[in-house]
Amino acid sequence: AQSVTQLDSQVPVFEEAPVELRCNYSSSVSVYLFWYVQYPNQGLQLLLKYLSGSTLVKGINGFEAEFNKSQTSFHLRKPSVHISDTAEYFCAVSVAGGGKLIFGQGTELSVKP
Amino acid sequence: DSGVTQTPKHLITATGQRVTLRCSPRSGDLSVYWYQQSLDQGLQFLIQYYNGEERAKGNILERFSAQQFPDLHSELNLSSLELGDSALYFCASSPPPGGREQFFGPGTRLTVL
Repeated sequence: AQSVTQLDSQVPVFEEAPVELRCNYSSSVSVYLFWYVQYPNQGLQLLLKYLSGSTLVKGINGFEAEFNKSQTSFHLRKPSVHISDTAEYFCAVSVAGGGKLIFGQGTELSVKP
Repeated sequence: DSGVTQTPKHLITATGQRVTLRCSPRSGDLSVYWYQQSLDQGLQFLIQYYNGEERAKGNILERFSAQQFPDLHSELNLSSLELGDSALYFCASSPPPGGREQFFGPGTRLTVL
């Protein structure tokens, strides 16, 4: 079975500062990895995904993530955040080939002016 | 806009009642997934349908059932509702063949009083 751990439940950061949201997963089989963002009172929007190939994945809104197989991690980064990045971020995993998503508990990113 | 639609947006009902949540996937997507998001359980996979057939089941209660119709829209039926069923219910769809990524609808917020 797969599981996902998001290491920080809340991350406060000042505008224009860099941010890293941490995600670790466990699985005995190959996986796909995803980051979703949820703005208040909205659905989930896909930020980026790792399916195979290059371990550095670029997504929307200037976000990127690096797949590290040896450390079973998929941390999300942005070099300079904006107020509009304030939202909840979810890391998710599925078995390679597709299927249900297993989500982490979410990280609330709060960007302050 | 992900292209996945869900109705209704909000639903308020009483304990013991039955409700039906509706989801229309993106054009061309054959898979539909249902997820429940609650404060205590986080985002949990409920059930998946692929082209009308049940494909996978997660933590779905026996009081809950779903189906996918020939036009590929899906309905999630929740019966004998309890206070603890209050949550956000998301539908997601993914394209064939492997369903490498899932596109989420805006969700239905269910409040059981």
